Amino acid sequence: GAVVSQHPSWVICKSGTSVKIECRSLDFQATTMFWYRQFPKQSLMLMATSNEGSKATYEQGVEKDKFLINHASLTLSTLTVTSAHPEDSSFYICSASGRHLNYGYTFGSGTRLTVV
Amino acid sequence: TQLLEQSPQFLSIQEGENLTVYCNSSSVFSSLQWYRQEPGEGPVLLVTVVTGGEVKKLKRLTFQFGDARKDSSLHITAAQPGDTGLYLCAGARNSGAGSYQLTFGKGTKLSVIP
Repeated sequence: GAVVSQHPSWVICKSGTSVKIECRSLDFQATTMFWYRQFPKQSLMLMATSNEGSKATYEQGVEKDKFLINHASLTLSTLTVTSAHPEDSSFYICSASGRHLNYGYTFGSGTRLTVV
Repeated sequence: TQLLEQSPQFLSIQEGENLTVYCNSSSVFSSLQWYRQEPGEGPVLLVTVVTGGEVKKLKRLTFQFGDARKDSSLHITAAQPGDTGLYLCAGARNSGAGSYQLTFGKGTKLSVIP
């Protein structure tokens, strides 16, 4: 089956530093990747949609200069949280969609970010 | 923004009881998906319903898509402690480039007490 690998699983960083989260499709080509944020006891909120080789489309209220998304290849997308602050602490999840999956979705296992 | 209203938000029942989770919207979706999410993990797809009126069964779970493709329900019969988890519905809409964007409901946290 389709597998999406997300790393790291959890990260603690100091306020003001940047953190990069990777999302890889292991056995299929992900033409589109989605990045979500999930706060405790809440549902997933879409942050941005990225198509391979083009700029990401950000949802309203999501700062594109703070949450940098790169989707340079069909198997890798990265989310960089720049100048992280405690309010950025959350659970970040990626999902990938591709022709191989008949444009269905597979989710990564998530990254727990804690900014101290 | 296409919103999905999911209810109930919390549900605590005894083992063996039946339950239904509802997902409603004023908008039409191309398809609707149900996921189950464990703490600290990503959502895992349970089922996708595409056709209005469609009913799918997965062991003790029955999923139904409304005729107008605006609402869906998840029914669990004879719930077991292993069914405990967060259940999420998600509606799909075309986002271009041959892919679809998901809008998630707020989730239903189910606890099945032995």
